[in-house]
Amino acid sequence: SQQGEEDPQALSIQEGENATMNCSYKTSINNLQWYRQNSGRGLVHLILIRSNEREKHSGRLRVTLDTSKKSSSLLITASRAADTASYFCATDASGGSNYKLTFGKGTLLTVNP
Amino acid sequence: NAGVTQTPKFQVLKTGQSMTLQCAQDMNHEYMSWYRQDPGMGLRLIHYSVGAGITDQGEVPNGYNVSRSTTEDFPLRLLSAAPSQTSVYFCASSRLGPDTQYFGPGTRLTVL
Repeated sequence: SQQGEEDPQALSIQEGENATMNCSYKTSINNLQWYRQNSGRGLVHLILIRSNEREKHSGRLRVTLDTSKKSSSLLITASRAADTASYFCATDASGGSNYKLTFGKGTLLTVNP
Repeated sequence: NAGVTQTPKFQVLKTGQSMTLQCAQDMNHEYMSWYRQDPGMGLRLIHYSVGAGITDQGEVPNGYNVSRSTTEDFPLRLLSAAPSQTSVYFCASSRLGPDTQYFGPGTRLTVL
C-alpha cells in the first residue's frame, strides 16, 4: 500500500509563480524525501528532511514537515519552464529494522512559459 | 563515476519467456533496490539489498528474483514473464539504507 500520497495530482502554473505540493503519510517515519522525475527519465533526489526537522531549504526549494499531521509540503519559488516534471515524496517508516522506502503517486507540475 | 547503470533500455518479451535486467553502480553503495513504475501508481518496491549476499522482499516481489553476489551488481530476474509485468523498471542505490537514492535511467519492458 502507498505510504505517501501527494496532492494535488496535477498542477499547472505560469513561469515566475510559486508551486506548492503536499504529501501525507500514514505511519511514523524516520525521514521524508522529495524526488523529481522528468518525463521518461529516472528520479532525481531533491531534498531529505529528518523527522526531528521542521523546515529545510535548498536553493528555490523549501520543504516543511509536520509530524503531528503526518504531512509535508514542497514549495518551489519563482518557477521556471524547466521545473516541469513529476514530483514524488518518499518515506521510510520508523521502528524495527525497516529498510524500505515507499513512494507516493506523484504530482505532475506543468510550468507554462 | 557512471553512477547507476541499467541494461537494456528497452525490451519486448513474449509471455513465458525469462530475462534478467541488469543494474550496476560504481559508488560503493551498500543499499540497492528495484522498483517498478506503472501509470498512476507511482513507484513500488520489488526487492532490495542492504549489502552483498543479503536481499529481501519489497511490496510487489511475486514473479521476480534477485541476488547480490557483489557490491556493484544487483540483477533482477523475471522467471516467466506475464503481461502484468509490463512496466518501467528502475534500479536505485544509496550509501546506507533508505537514504538519498541514486536512480538509474530505467528499463522499459513490454510483455506480449
